[in-house]
Amino acid sequence: GAVVSQHPSRVICKSGTSVKIECRSLDFQATTMFWYRQFPKKSLMLMATSNEGSKATYEQGVEKDKFLINHASLTLSTLTVTSAHPEDSSFYICSAQTRDRGWNEQFFGPGTRLTVL
Amino acid sequence: KNEVEQSPQNLTAQEGEFITINCSYSVGISALHWLQQHPGGGIVSLFMLSSGKKKHGRLIATINIQEKHSSLHITASHPRDSAVYICAVRSNSGGSNYKLTFGKGTLLTVNP
Repeated sequence: GAVVSQHPSRVICKSGTSVKIECRSLDFQATTMFWYRQFPKKSLMLMATSNEGSKATYEQGVEKDKFLINHASLTLSTLTVTSAHPEDSSFYICSAQTRDRGWNEQFFGPGTRLTVL
Repeated sequence: KNEVEQSPQNLTAQEGEFITINCSYSVGISALHWLQQHPGGGIVSLFMLSSGKKKHGRLIATINIQEKHSSLHITASHPRDSAVYICAVRSNSGGSNYKLTFGKGTLLTVNP
């Protein structure tokens, strides 16, 4: 199957700093990448959808100025949490969608656990 | 009512038992995913299916489009199967960017 990586896997930062999370599709070109957030013992919540070369589409209630998404290439999307606060602590997961096999499959990254002190 | 309902929420089994997790959905879909998430870990996509049945090792996934229902079966369960299993559906409402709607997950614990 197709592989999606995320970096870093864990990050601890101080309140007020910005954190960048990378999502890469390693062996396929991702037409679209999705960013999710997961709270403890809860299901995934879609934050935004990004298409290569265009602006991300944010879900209702997600602050686009706080969660900056850049999809600069067909294999890389980044999520930057700006001016992080403790309430931003969460598990962030990306997924990538491909048409490589003539079918819109979606593959998930391993996630990034963010802890804001 | 959630668009995607999973049952049971929690499931405890003894090693070797046959496991069934169910997923019902209320919208028209183009595909259904079964995902696995270990505690503190990332998500692994187990299956994506739109009809019939798929098998991979000890895992079997089935879907009945008419009844809007899917099942994930685990044969000869093992403690390493302990994880949260999540059902997610992709609606067929059109467009090329398909959003997934997730169930709340089923926490499976397999005891040795």
